Amino acid sequence: EPEVTQTPSHQVTQMGQEVILRCVPISNHLYFYWYRQILGQKVEFLVSFYNNEISEKSEIFDDQFSVERPDGSNFTLKIRSTKLEDSAMYFCASSTPAGGSGANVLTFGAGSRLTVL
Amino acid sequence: ILNVEQSPQSLHVQEGDSTNFTCSFPSSNFYALHWYRWETAKSPEALFVMTLNGDEKKKGRISATLNTKEGYSYLYIKGSQPEDSATYLCAFKRYGGSQGNLIFGKGTKLSVKP
Repeated sequence: EPEVTQTPSHQVTQMGQEVILRCVPISNHLYFYWYRQILGQKVEFLVSFYNNEISEKSEIFDDQFSVERPDGSNFTLKIRSTKLEDSAMYFCASSTPAGGSGANVLTFGAGSRLTVL
Repeated sequence: ILNVEQSPQSLHVQEGDSTNFTCSFPSSNFYALHWYRWETAKSPEALFVMTLNGDEKKKGRISATLNTKEGYSYLYIKGSQPEDSATYLCAFKRYGGSQGNLIFGKGTKLSVKP
């Protein structure tokens, strides 16, 4: 069964460093998303990406964050200058256009755990 | 502030027990309600996406109901098995915005003892 793959599974970085988290969505999916879950808290939406541009972003997704689909297969999340509070599990997801129900089913990756020291 | 609440937070049952848990969400501007099953160290796996009031969906021993007017959904597991042990997440999609802008609950962690 097709799956969304994320790398690295765990990254430890120093505060102020740049981090790039990588995702390979399902090949025929057109919509891509990033979420995060800070330990003990709810999963939070960060950003939606469609047709090579951001279609929606949350308040969390400030200027320190950026997303890119550099080569038609990878979908990356960059955090420019990491802060302690960026420590979280980051999930990538993808979906196809909605069918008759009008609501997309999302396929998630297993997550990348980011630890900022 | 839109909020999604799940209860209970955790549940311990014996193999063979049937169980259910609740997801409460805003009853206005409803678009869809998602249920995911999330095993530790794995990807959250979509169980159901529900859009219509009164909808009932079933997948094997797992089923879900939806009441959009009062803002709740129930997930039922019949005859729980140890492999059902996971965290069950619900996520609310309001009308408007991108499909991925989901508001998640904290999840119900289910442990099934053999």
